[in-house]
Amino acid sequence: DTEVTQTPKHLVMGMTNKKSLKCEQHMGHRAMYWYKQKAKKPPELMFVYSYEKLSINESVPSRFSPECPNSSLLNLHLHALQPEDSALYLCASSPRDRVLNTEAFFGQGTRLTVV
Amino acid sequence: AQSVTQPDIHITVSEGASLELRCNYSYGATPYLFWYVQSPGQGLQLLLKYFSGDTLVQGIKGFEAEFKRSQSSFNLRKPSVHWSDAAEYFCAVGAMGRGSTLGRLYFGRGTQLTVWP
Repeated sequence: DTEVTQTPKHLVMGMTNKKSLKCEQHMGHRAMYWYKQKAKKPPELMFVYSYEKLSINESVPSRFSPECPNSSLLNLHLHALQPEDSALYLCASSPRDRVLNTEAFFGQGTRLTVV
Repeated sequence: AQSVTQPDIHITVSEGASLELRCNYSYGATPYLFWYVQSPGQGLQLLLKYFSGDTLVQGIKGFEAEFKRSQSSFNLRKPSVHWSDAAEYFCAVGAMGRGSTLGRLYFGRGTQLTVWP
């Protein structure tokens, strides 16, 4: 299994809603990532988990809350989002916690629309 | 500081023509370089990577890239483009992030490829 699976594929939520994005991989990877991608732009790193511990937070607003319940799962909890948070949210994983010399495997993304 | 430059925002080629997408990087140490492809609304798929060794690397879907240290470049090539190659292409460098011992990917802004029949 060489896939990173993200659910849901599409999500529409109101600004007062609470929702969660889910990411799963069964490749034994120990580093997992959340990226945000706006249209016609490259992915922007949000969070990095290494061995289930949050290692990098790229100054992301607290309305985004990541969670890594175990080595295969990564969640992104969303609360009180703004319309400008609408984007494609990508999850990725890599075999080692130093991505310098290892590739990252990306999921298909969750298309989030905040109304 | 590390950075990746893709000078071409949009490239159009005819099907069957050759393709070269440009990528220049800025990084003080040995770079780890990647090319990813993204179809509309989809995730990123790795085309190829360079870590060390032979400077000409082969990837999937008939793509190749050449690492040229003297030019700080890692250009992507394909001898004959197919209509299904139309997509967004991202060059990336794996580098150390500030204040962190972990590496991270730094992406270029992407090049949109259109293929005419």
